[in-house]
Amino acid sequence: EAGVAQSPRYKIIEKRQSVAFWCNPISGHATLYWYQQILGQGPKLLIQFQNNGVVDDSQLPKDRFSAERLKGVDSTLKIQPAKLEDSAVYLCASSLVTREETQYFGPGTRLLVL
Amino acid sequence: DQQVKQNSPSLSVQEGRISILNCDYTNSMFDYFLWYKKYPAEGPTFLISISSIKDKNEDGRFTVFLNKSAKHLSLHIVPSQPGDSAVYFCAARAGSYQLTFGKGTKLSVIP
Repeated sequence: EAGVAQSPRYKIIEKRQSVAFWCNPISGHATLYWYQQILGQGPKLLIQFQNNGVVDDSQLPKDRFSAERLKGVDSTLKIQPAKLEDSAVYLCASSLVTREETQYFGPGTRLLVL
Repeated sequence: DQQVKQNSPSLSVQEGRISILNCDYTNSMFDYFLWYKKYPAEGPTFLISISSIKDKNEDGRFTVFLNKSAKHLSLHIVPSQPGDSAVYFCAARAGSYQLTFGKGTKLSVIP
């Protein structure tokens, strides 16, 4: 069974530029999550989707971050404009609706904002 | 305010001995606890979990203990193997709310 796929794996941009990350969850997983993991910290949830609807985006900085999951499968996370403090690993995870406590993570995208 | 705390950033253990990783929490509404393991350049991998109605859950070499009165849980790995060297994250959940993660403990198992 294929795991959660993410791309790109690494991205370096300058502040005020925009960047987008892509995630393809495990087949059949209706719930998809985007996390931000800053160095030395645990993952912090940014947004949770169930199918193509947003369940929780309370910690998403909506002035610069946006995410979509238009067809209920793949998802993109965008930052525009990026700030230095956005440097982090962005993790995508997915789970079954009936087993949301067990999430499967992708390898992450490491973002460096200069 | 950190609701899930892993106070030891790192731990070194000899191969074959027991590794004990600790986690404290402050939110009494947490009712489900998980441990994730993370290798460098990979995403976290689910390891083991425990519901608040239990005080112990075992899966092979891994056992998680929950002490609700102390708001403390621990992960025991016996025997420890070099392949267990990774960062271990404790996570907790209150009902249907999001997972809250600790900062992680880096375990090094020395051959």
